[in-house]
Amino acid sequence: DTGVSQDPRHKITKRGQNVTFRCDPISEHNRLYWYRQTLGQGPEFLTYFQNEAQLEKSRLLSDRFSAERPKGSFSTLEIQRTEQGDSAMYLCASSLGLAINEQFFGPGTRLTVL
Amino acid sequence: RKEVEQDPGPFNVPEGATVAFNCTYSNSASQSFFWYRQDCRKEPKLLMSVYSSGNEDGRFTAQLNRASQYISLLIRDSKLSDSATYLCVVNIGTNAGKSTFGDGTTLTVKP
Repeated sequence: DTGVSQDPRHKITKRGQNVTFRCDPISEHNRLYWYRQTLGQGPEFLTYFQNEAQLEKSRLLSDRFSAERPKGSFSTLEIQRTEQGDSAMYLCASSLGLAINEQFFGPGTRLTVL
Repeated sequence: RKEVEQDPGPFNVPEGATVAFNCTYSNSASQSFFWYRQDCRKEPKLLMSVYSSGNEDGRFTAQLNRASQYISLLIRDSKLSDSATYLCVVNIGTNAGKSTFGDGTTLTVKP
């Protein structure tokens, strides 16, 4: 399978714990995006990378969220001191090129904060 | 006001019907427009890009009205398999990475 993969697919954690998610994009894709989606809403932009550079981060993203893409390949999204409001599906997508092109989404990581 | 707004529906139509969805956007600097499809409990997938001159892909037609800041999606001869949520996506600038998604319009096609 050469699509976007995400790990884990499901994560249940207690409030206050830290969690880290991983995304492996399609291998030749230089852009990588993170989104958050809750029921009945569209994906909400969190951040995106072009190669290893994080070019934009949503103003909605608190300091508890951090993302990295150290070698321009896989990416991690960390949420520190999780809150119940962080419960959502976290989607990763990748695309090829410098212009806006088709984004290929992974299956997502569903986070539940108890 | 949301940057991208869609009628959430649901739209319930019989097979063979023609259905149209609209999406309005607030930022006049928006340059790139797309329709994505999301099946229940699945990830979004690109349905089609929206070009200034309008474009068609089989039973699907997308149009852009820059003056009124809306895009539309027309589905002709609806199939059961068209049942899904349709997400409108807008980007500011052709190279900007931030994509703003609408909350989607849900379509159910019934036999």
